[in-house]
Amino acid sequence: GENVEQHPSTLSVQEGDSAVIKCTYSDSASNYFPWYKQELGKRPQLIIDIRSNVGEKKDQRIAVTLNKTAKHFSLHITETQPEDSAVYFCAASRDSGNTGKLIFGQGTTLQVKP
Amino acid sequence: KAGVTQTPRYLIKTRGQQVTLSCSPISGHRSVSWYQQTPGQGLQFLFEYFSETQRNKGNFPGRFSGRQFSNSRSEMNVSTLELGDSALYLCASSLLAGSGETQYFGPGTRLLVL
Repeated sequence: GENVEQHPSTLSVQEGDSAVIKCTYSDSASNYFPWYKQELGKRPQLIIDIRSNVGEKKDQRIAVTLNKTAKHFSLHITETQPEDSAVYFCAASRDSGNTGKLIFGQGTTLQVKP
Repeated sequence: KAGVTQTPRYLIKTRGQQVTLSCSPISGHRSVSWYQQTPGQGLQFLFEYFSETQRNKGNFPGRFSGRQFSNSRSEMNVSTLELGDSALYLCASSLLAGSGETQYFGPGTRLLVL
């Protein structure tokens, strides 16, 4: 079945350090992998996404890498800041043509200590 | 453009009652998906609508239903409420339906069942 495993469930880093969150998916037909950030009491917001024809994508301090052979993808945040503290969700969507159903990981609570 | 809006934002119901939640997508978006978010199960896909047609349905009982109107606004209904239905219900809109379409989330409706 469709499943996305996300690790770690909690992550605490010092301001300025890097943070890495890893996800593994089970459906080999998955071809779209977005990452969402959800601050307390707020809606999930897309921070970066990657498609299966790309191995890596970067946007300022945020990068995502994808290894289709191993069926895992990772979020990298460099030079972390206190405002990066939030819950981060990875997700996967399979290439089924007419549906964008997202399967989410369980989330990672990131705490950036000043 | 205005973002995705959901009404009501908060709702308290008792077991056995039914509830209707509403979602207005971003102007021009034709696809609306619904997700249930709970601390224990995380974010789970409920259903997806595109051009008034249900494109996909998650693994939820028949008490959960939805529909989409010609203006792309969507509603979801939960009948015979159970305590376990207490959750944050999020809708997300995208321009089209299909894998790879960016989904933008609304603020959610927090439902408490007593």
